[in-house]
Amino acid sequence: KAGVTQTPRYLIKTRGQQVTLSCSPISGHRSVSWYQQTPGQGLQFLFEYFSETQRNKGNFPGRFSGRQFSNSRSEMNVSTLELGDSALYLCASSPLGETQYFGPGTRLLVL
Amino acid sequence: AQSVTQLDSHVSVSEGTPVLLRCNYSSSYSPSLFWYVQHPNKGLQLLLKYTSAATLVKGINGFEAEFKKSETSFHLTKPSAHMSDAAEYFCVVSDRDGYSTLTFGKGTMLLVSP
Repeated sequence: KAGVTQTPRYLIKTRGQQVTLSCSPISGHRSVSWYQQTPGQGLQFLFEYFSETQRNKGNFPGRFSGRQFSNSRSEMNVSTLELGDSALYLCASSPLGETQYFGPGTRLLVL
Repeated sequence: AQSVTQLDSHVSVSEGTPVLLRCNYSSSYSPSLFWYVQHPNKGLQLLLKYTSAATLVKGINGFEAEFKKSETSFHLTKPSAHMSDAAEYFCVVSDRDGYSTLTFGKGTMLLVSP
């Protein structure tokens, strides 16, 4: 089976812009979770989607949003980018409640 | 609430010597515990997981971990380090059955010298 894929792999934006990141889960996995990884805060949970519904959300401002499509692919959006949003954004997929498998991540740099 | 403490931010070993990466957890429920590894500029790879079956869990690449409830620990070990083991290791807890919220430790960077 192909693994989790994330696009794009690298992204450079400027403050105030918005960005959309994409994640394609492993075939048959219907749960997709997103995480932010920074040197200061480590890995933090953003949100989880299952069957196009957000099931759980971490402690992030409303500028961070996501959605899931009927084919289980997921996107996350960050509006009004801030310098502190520079991070590696990781997507993970799983059957619901089971082990998560991670993609390679999208590295976002905000200038 | 659940939490994970990785007791060492960096561990240095010589190739061929044993590896010990320490992890303590806190959980209100019966936890599921994981170790993931992250090589530079890569995503996270699952090494092993504990889900209330055998307390000694064997993973990939010769790693294993032992769940000790009395000590709330889940330390990762390997008998003999290889240069390719140099990476960052994350201890992770999930204790909400049916949900996929993972809580990560801060990570331990494993350095392996020749």
